[in-house]
Amino acid sequence: GAVVSQHPSWVICKSGTSVKIECRSLDFQATTMFWYRQFPKQSLMLMATSNEGSKATYEQGVEKDKFLINHASLTLSTLTVTSAHPEDSSFYICSARGDSTDTQYFGPGTRLTVL
Amino acid sequence: QQQVKQSPQSLIVQKGGISIINCAYENTAFDYFPWYQQFPGKGPALLIAIRPDVSEKKEGRFTISFNKSAKQFSLHIMDSQPGDSATYFCATATGRRALTFGSGTRLQVQP
Repeated sequence: GAVVSQHPSWVICKSGTSVKIECRSLDFQATTMFWYRQFPKQSLMLMATSNEGSKATYEQGVEKDKFLINHASLTLSTLTVTSAHPEDSSFYICSARGDSTDTQYFGPGTRLTVL
Repeated sequence: QQQVKQSPQSLIVQKGGISIINCAYENTAFDYFPWYQQFPGKGPALLIAIRPDVSEKKEGRFTISFNKSAKQFSLHIMDSQPGDSATYFCATATGRRALTFGSGTRLQVQP
């Protein structure tokens, strides 16, 4: 199957700082990437959908000025958590989908801890 | 609005037994029904998926049963093994839109 990587795998930061998470499709071109957030023992909640070269579409209740998403190329999307606070601590997971398939391939996730 | 209801929340099965997880959906526009497996601290991995034009799909020990009229689909894991212990999520999608996930089922297979 297709491979999606995320970097970093975990990050600890101080409250008020910004953190950037990268999502890369390693062996296919991802025309669409999705960002999810997962709290402990809970399901995945969609945050936003991004298409290459376009502005991301955010789900209701997700602050677009706080969670900046960039999908500048067919293999890379980034999520920047700006002015992070402890309540932003979570497991952030991206997924990617090519143009010719409905299958979403998920990255390994990034554990964010805000102190 | 919870669009996909998944049950049970947790499941304990003996090694060699059959694990069955169920999902029910509301939106008849859904046309893609995958199941994902997630280990702690890892991203979900696609196990098997089905479209509504078939009632069953089997891949190895994993089978999806789909009942369009009842708006339900289920995952059957045959000959369950301790290595199958993980959290399983059903999901749904319309066209090529984002997935909507069920609440997850924690499966524990006892040796």
